[in-house]
Amino acid sequence: AQSVTQPDIHITVSEGASLELRCNYSYGATPYLFWYVQSPGQGLQLLLKYFSGDTLVQGIKGFEAEFKRSQSSFNLRKPSVHWSDAAEYFCAVGAYSGNTPLVFGKGTRLSVIA
Amino acid sequence: EAGVTQFPSHSVIEKGQTVTLRCDPISGHDNLYWYRRVMGKEIKFLLHFVKESKQDESGMPNNRFLAERTGGTYSTLKVQPAELEDSGVYFCASSPERQVGYEQYFGPGTRLTVT
Repeated sequence: AQSVTQPDIHITVSEGASLELRCNYSYGATPYLFWYVQSPGQGLQLLLKYFSGDTLVQGIKGFEAEFKRSQSSFNLRKPSVHWSDAAEYFCAVGAYSGNTPLVFGKGTRLSVIA
Repeated sequence: EAGVTQFPSHSVIEKGQTVTLRCDPISGHDNLYWYRRVMGKEIKFLLHFVKESKQDESGMPNNRFLAERTGGTYSTLKVQPAELEDSGVYFCASSPERQVGYEQYFGPGTRLTVT
């Protein structure tokens, strides 16, 4: 069955500290991987995506993610967190072959403290 | 370019009533998706339109939910009659026709509360 696991429901980091959000997936075909962010009152915004090529992908707002096929992981990282990064982050997987529904993880809520 | 829009942003109804949610995708996007997030759970797929046709409705929870996409443009999702467990945030997303490197563009969601 297709699934995405985000093991951390809530993470709190200090402003300026580094961040890593974990994501593991189970998918029967070649995956197409995404990280979305939802700020309060906003819709889901795409941070970055991976479908082929370099396994380290750069996204918006200084985020990056690394695809590790052997570990079925797609962890999101940021070297220095800003207070405006406080939001909920969703990892999702879809089929590489085309437009198909996405399977989401439960999300990780990030709090940033001074 | 306007993004995906959804209306209303928030709806509070009583159990047994009817509610209709609307989604306007990005102009020219053939693919339109509905998702739902129940509190504390993951965002789950409901159905997928390609133009005006239902491509996949495997995620629709039951026959109280009816989705339409008029002329391949905007879509509506009707819940009739609403039950308490229908409460959640309903997201709409759209994407262009099949192409490598696609992404789904999401709307802000409609928060439905059934009391």
